[in-house]
Amino acid sequence: GQQVQQSPASLVLQEGENAELQCNFSTSLNSMQWFYQRPGGSLVSLFYNPSGTKHSGRLTSTTVIKERRSSLHISSSQTTDSGTYLCALDSNYQLIWGSGTKLIIKP
Amino acid sequence: GGIITQTPKFLIGQEGQKLTLKCQQNFNHDTMYWYRQDSGKGLRLIYYSITENDLQKGDLSEGYDASREKKSSFSLTVTSAQKNEMAVFLCASTPGGADTQYFGPGTRLLVL
Repeated sequence: GQQVQQSPASLVLQEGENAELQCNFSTSLNSMQWFYQRPGGSLVSLFYNPSGTKHSGRLTSTTVIKERRSSLHISSSQTTDSGTYLCALDSNYQLIWGSGTKLIIKP
Repeated sequence: GGIITQTPKFLIGQEGQKLTLKCQQNFNHDTMYWYRQDSGKGLRLIYYSITENDLQKGDLSEGYDASREKKSSFSLTVTSAQKNEMAVFLCASTPGGADTQYFGPGTRLLVL
């Protein structure tokens, strides 16, 4: 089965609402990485998070290894946050990718 | 800082054609990757290279060749393009095995 399951597949919110994205994994990891991809654009690394909680502006990543999950929280969402968010499990030299969450923030 | 460039940005080919995609990085990173992304889906690893002249197959290597003749460059060849194939090919690099990956802007492939 899939080693990394990402949810939800899509999420539509009003500007100002908070977004919660989840990745669950079934194999051992060095770290969980979170990426942002604009429509038609490249990927930008948001977090490299082996465990615990990391903050970057309105973004928070939490990885709980013993529960085999990692989350990305976006507070006070803005229309410019719209795009696809991908998690990837870092297992030595390879990344095992989730299928992505398509986030749409309406004005 | 550094940058990853991919050429060409758009690639249109014919069925059966051999097509080559190029990637250059000036981070001085050891490890480079090629991924394929189909519309609305996650990334799948085609090839990666731990150092110059090294090649490792990913899950999607069949139908592709790769070449890492210099530390700064990593090429991918589609050996026989499939009709109606459409995908984005993304190149990435990282200093070592367990570290943040940095991505290029992608090459968009369309096969007629």
